[in-house]
Amino acid sequence: EVQLVQSGAEVKKPGESLKISCKGSGYSFTNYWIGWVRQMPGKGLEWMGIIYPGDSDTRYSPSFQGQVTISADKSISTAYLQWSSLKASDTAMYYCVRHAVAGSVKSYFDYWGQGTLVTVSS
Amino acid sequence: DIVMTQSPDSLAMSLGERATINCKSSQSLLYSSNNKNYLGWYQQRPGQPPKLLIYWASTRESGVPDRFSGSGSETDFTLTISSLQAEDVAVYYCQQYHSTPQTFGQGTKVEIK
Repeated sequence: EVQLVQSGAEVKKPGESLKISCKGSGYSFTNYWIGWVRQMPGKGLEWMGIIYPGDSDTRYSPSFQGQVTISADKSISTAYLQWSSLKASDTAMYYCVRHAVAGSVKSYFDYWGQGTLVTVSS
Repeated sequence: DIVMTQSPDSLAMSLGERATINCKSSQSLLYSSNNKNYLGWYQQRPGQPPKLLIYWASTRESGVPDRFSGSGSETDFTLTISSLQAEDVAVYYCQQYHSTPQTFGQGTKVEIK
């Protein structure tokens, strides 16, 4: 069974750093792009970027380029989303997603993690 | 970026009624090389992550009830719920995966009247 299991909720202060994780299981982790999607409170879905764990090829949305870093450790089938200096506006639910078509950037998402709620408040 | 615009923003229908959600893209999502439209639909129930309903504009994901159907091509797409059930209360999103950055519509909230 394919699963994406994300790390738990975080409460941070502005200016702090953070790295959240998404562990894939039940499939060949290196062969499928993994993405991150933001959902701010009461709002819609925003595509942040994707990574191909096989070679760490990474693509970012221009809206998030330079604001976050996406990485992956294929040895433990885990993808990461990190911030070096959080802002209050980073408060949101963050979902990891798996591309359905192996090896393809142009794919819909067939599996979603349960979400990680990040709260940034002084 | 490709802009995805859904209509309406919300709708309230009675149980058993037909619900129709429209999605318009600012560019064609059809690849002539494979004749596929790179358009998906997702359902997000309250407090849950989104769930894939439809891909390639009209292919139903395994396990999705057949009252859900997708249609359309190039820039105009529709999600239809043929007979609305209580468990269909949710927000529905269209998504284009034709180009990066992938983009979503703003969402359509479906409620029971």
